[in-house]
Amino acid sequence: GQNIDQPTEMTATEGAIVQINCTYQTSGFNGLFWYQQHAGEAPTFLSYNVLDGLEEKGRFSSFLSRSKGYSYLLLKELQMKDSASYLCAESEGTYKYIFGTGTRLKVLA
Amino acid sequence: GAGVSQSPRYKVAKRGQDVALRCDPISGHVSLFWYQQALGQGPEFLTYFQNEAQLDKSGLPSDRFFAERPEGSVSTLKIQRTQQEDSAVYLCASSLSTGGAAGELFFGEGSRLTVL
Repeated sequence: GQNIDQPTEMTATEGAIVQINCTYQTSGFNGLFWYQQHAGEAPTFLSYNVLDGLEEKGRFSSFLSRSKGYSYLLLKELQMKDSASYLCAESEGTYKYIFGTGTRLKVLA
Repeated sequence: GAGVSQSPRYKVAKRGQDVALRCDPISGHVSLFWYQQALGQGPEFLTYFQNEAQLDKSGLPSDRFFAERPEGSVSTLKIQRTQQEDSAVYLCASSLSTGGAAGELFFGEGSRLTVL
């Protein structure tokens, strides 16, 4: 996605914490989503931020700063099953979703 | 079923063949999207339906691509005279949201198209 910038790959150790950053263009912003996608599977919803601040949901948290066009996904107590691609997606206008290329996370034992 | 269903899951086509990919969204979901996902990339928007109306087809790569949703439920993405560059996973997603606040997208598992 041309509007979204996120790292291509990250590696972390089981039990650790990892932060995946995402920057986006702010025009027409209507929300920021994070999706998880295991290889060969459908993306599944993780989180949604439309207001500034931190949203916590179990081991996963997501942060948004609208003025900076910046979000991050924080994964705590990493497990092997967290190895997947994490897609940052910006909602623009009433229905358009722009996806980043995804960050492939490898969790090592 | 409870989720978004797509068929076929895998399709191998010879260059020049026509293909049709089907999507069964979650019942009651007004919005339906088609995305194209190349290997190692994020989903790229193709087209959007609200009920039976195709409100945006700006992402369709060429006039060989055509999508319909005649009764506001099942949708079909048709690709005519397939080319090798059409090889990708085609994802369908549906959403309760019709506009205003953005809604969560529910994705199907995709149809993997390989053009030889």
